[in-house]
This record gives sequence, C-alpha cells and structure tokens, in this order.
Amino acid sequence: EAQVTQNPRYLITVTGKKLTVTCSQNMNHEYMSWYRQDPGLGLRQIYYSMNVEVTDKGDVPEGYKVSRKEKRNFPLILESPSPNQTSLYFCASSTWDDYGYTFGSGTRLTVV
Amino acid sequence: GESVGLHLPTLSVQEGDNSIINCAYSNSASDYFIWYKQESGKGPQFIIDIRSNMDKRQGQRVTVLLNKTVKHLSLQIAATQPGDSAVYFCAEKVNNNDMRFGAGTRLTVKP
Repeated sequence: EAQVTQNPRYLITVTGKKLTVTCSQNMNHEYMSWYRQDPGLGLRQIYYSMNVEVTDKGDVPEGYKVSRKEKRNFPLILESPSPNQTSLYFCASSTWDDYGYTFGSGTRLTVV
Repeated sequence: GESVGLHLPTLSVQEGDNSIINCAYSNSASDYFIWYKQESGKGPQFIIDIRSNMDKRQGQRVTVLLNKTVKHLSLQIAATQPGDSAVYFCAEKVNNNDMRFGAGTRLTVKP
C-alpha cells in the first residue's frame, strides 16, 4: 500500500530533551515536507526537501532540523524541544511535479 | 503577506443536503488550488484540484468552483453523508515547491 509512515504517533517529552520524528514513504517520491498543525492556524510548513541532500526552510523552521540522506526518509529533529513546539506534526510527500500531497497520519507531540 | 483563509470555521448540514465550503485567497498569481479533507485522527487527504485556467471542476459528488475575479474558491458536496464529516482545507500553490493551507472549516453532518 502506498503510504507515508510517521513514528511515533504520540510523544510526550520534557523541555530540552532531543527527539526525532521519523517519516518514510514507499512511493519513490522526490518531494517531502513537514508541517505543524495548530488550532486556528492550519498547516504551516516547517521544512521541505526536493530530493536527496536537498532541503530548505519553510515558514516556521526555527527550532527544527531535517535531513534527507535517503529518498524514502525525511526525519524531523528537535534538538532542544520547548513547550511552544507542542503541536500535531504531519509529513507529506509527492512527485516533483504533483502538488496533491500524500500525508502521514500525524504525530502528536507534547513538550512539558 | 499572502494568505489563504476560510469564511466560516464551522458548517453544520443535514444528511442529504448539499454543502458549500468557501475559501478566499489573496495571491492573485496563484494558479493551482487543492481541497483536502481531514478526518479525526488522520492526515489530510486530497479531494479535488483546479487550475486557474478553469472555473469549475467536478469529481464524484464534489465540485470545486474558482472565481478569479474575487479570488474565491468553493467546494460543493452533493447529498452530504455522515462520512463527509471532517475538516476541509483549501490550499494554494505559492511557488514551485509549496502549497499554503487555510485554517480549515469543520463540516458536521446531522443525521
């Protein structure tokens, strides 16, 4: 089944403790992206990647890092999480010329 | 800056009625738009798209209308069913790499 897989689905962590949210797609998509979703603000882009070793900032990149060492994986790294990063995170992917993204099921992160 | 917004945050309709969800956009250069559906506990799911050279596009029970004059987009759902209950987002292409999403409208279908 074609899909985008995120892990974990739920995570509660403490301020300052580094964490990684994984994202993997099995559709050979070139484009991958991370979004955060907050009430009333919709989906805001954090980082995106056009292909392996090519990443760029979205609208809200502060406090996040990404890497794209392999085409299928696009992990989101929070080096020192803070409470304002409590949110619902989505990974998405598509072919380079298709904007109809396939989204993962989401990761609900709580930073206390 | 440019933004995509929705006129109403919530919409409640009776099962069997038609639903209309609206979206205003401000980037007159946007040439591609998508509607997504997000059910509780799931990621957004592509419903239908439309390019700016079109005014209307139809899918199965859904129709998207684009009015470029007033920069308005709407999603019409015919014979709304309980399974249509979800949050609906419009999104516009803002450059070659990015789609910008509105805040969403929650559609509730009453039996």
